[in-house]
Amino acid sequence: DAGVTQSPTHLIKTRGQQVTLRCSPISGHKSVSWYQQVLGQGPQFIFQYYEKEERGRGNFPDRFSARQFPNYSSELNVNALLLGDSALYLCASSRDGPKTQYFGPGTRLLVL
Amino acid sequence: DQQVKQNSPSLSVQEGRISILNCDYTNSMFDYFLWYKKYPAEGPTFLISISSIKDKNEDGRFTVFLNKSAKHLSLHIVPSQPGDSAVYFCAASEGAGNMLTFGGGTRLMVKP
Repeated sequence: DAGVTQSPTHLIKTRGQQVTLRCSPISGHKSVSWYQQVLGQGPQFIFQYYEKEERGRGNFPDRFSARQFPNYSSELNVNALLLGDSALYLCASSRDGPKTQYFGPGTRLLVL
Repeated sequence: DQQVKQNSPSLSVQEGRISILNCDYTNSMFDYFLWYKKYPAEGPTFLISISSIKDKNEDGRFTVFLNKSAKHLSLHIVPSQPGDSAVYFCAASEGAGNMLTFGGGTRLMVKP
């Protein structure tokens, strides 16, 4: 079975621009979560979606938004990019119910 | 306020010996704990988990111990292998499948 996939793998943007990151969960997984990992730190929770509904939101500004589609894939959007948004953005999926989250390879975003 | 802490940023162990990675948490509502391993340029890989109703869980060379009264968990790897060299993150959630709170990671180096 294919794991969690994310696109693109790398991205370079300039301050003020907008970016969209994409995630496809493991087949059969209905929940998708997004995390931001800054160099030298652990991942930080941004959003969780289940059955297209937002189920949780971390401590991130409104510039960050996400959505989940009927096929359970998801997009993370970040507007008005700041230098501090440079990070590895990770997507994780899990089955409904109390199950482990499995991570994709991440999208590395560099904001110049 | 860091709710999950890994106080050792790095650990060096000889091949064949035991590796012990530690993690402390402050939120008494956490009831599900996981360990992930991360190689550079890859997403975190799930290793092992434990629910708060248990105090030990084993999977091959990996064992996780949970001390609820001390709010402490540890990951034991026996025997350690050079391929185990990676950054290890502990994570916790209120209910399995919900948002994960990660520690800052411990870099394990297993020397041949």
